[in-house]
Amino acid sequence: DSGVTQTPKHLITATGQRVTLRCSPRSGDLSVYWYQQSLDQGLQFLIQYYNGEERAKGNILERFSAQQFPDLHSELNLSSLELGDSALYFCASSAGPSGGAGEQFFGPGTRLTVL
Amino acid sequence: GENVEQHPSTLSVQEGDSAVIKCTYSDSASNYFPWYKQELGKGPQLIIDIRSNVGEKKDQRIAVTLNKTAKHFSLHITETQPEDSAVYFCAPADRGSTLGRLYFGRGTQLTVWP
Repeated sequence: DSGVTQTPKHLITATGQRVTLRCSPRSGDLSVYWYQQSLDQGLQFLIQYYNGEERAKGNILERFSAQQFPDLHSELNLSSLELGDSALYFCASSAGPSGGAGEQFFGPGTRLTVL
Repeated sequence: GENVEQHPSTLSVQEGDSAVIKCTYSDSASNYFPWYKQELGKGPQLIIDIRSNVGEKKDQRIAVTLNKTAKHFSLHITETQPEDSAVYFCAPADRGSTLGRLYFGRGTQLTVWP
């Protein structure tokens, strides 16, 4: 168990809908990262937050947004969903602002299916 | 951004044999070289990492070797066991960067046959 929790575990929805994925980092970790994993794109970095502020952006679509709250949990919002958004979404956390300096701890993921 | 390639994409070995996975990268600023293991239905988990001032690091049956000149590093698993079956990812990074993103390779599916 990495100490990172994600809810829900599975999510099935229809095209055009909006969903929210939730992540609680390990106790004491200030950085939260979101990744998307699909068969054709592999494991892709979406966005990073550090202590409530956006730190880095990766291949995140404009239809997607995220935020980190004062209690350090984070939410990833996906709107106007398309079939191609079906994927596993992982949240990871690390202690400092520079995840490249060490280990990132991954949650179990949320499997999103868009029908 | 970093261009990361892993080879092979799939690897099947007999239990007890060794397995080697190679990762090449493009960013010369990379100085942190981790390997993550992802078991079915779980998130990736760090299994070993190396810094650029070290050429090799070993942890029991797992080792990582680095060739910074050639920009590649490899994961070595000896005496493989069925529980080593998983997808392995390399994710080279720049420790000096204030950004925390990891550039993951496409992964290597390792299957260990009993």
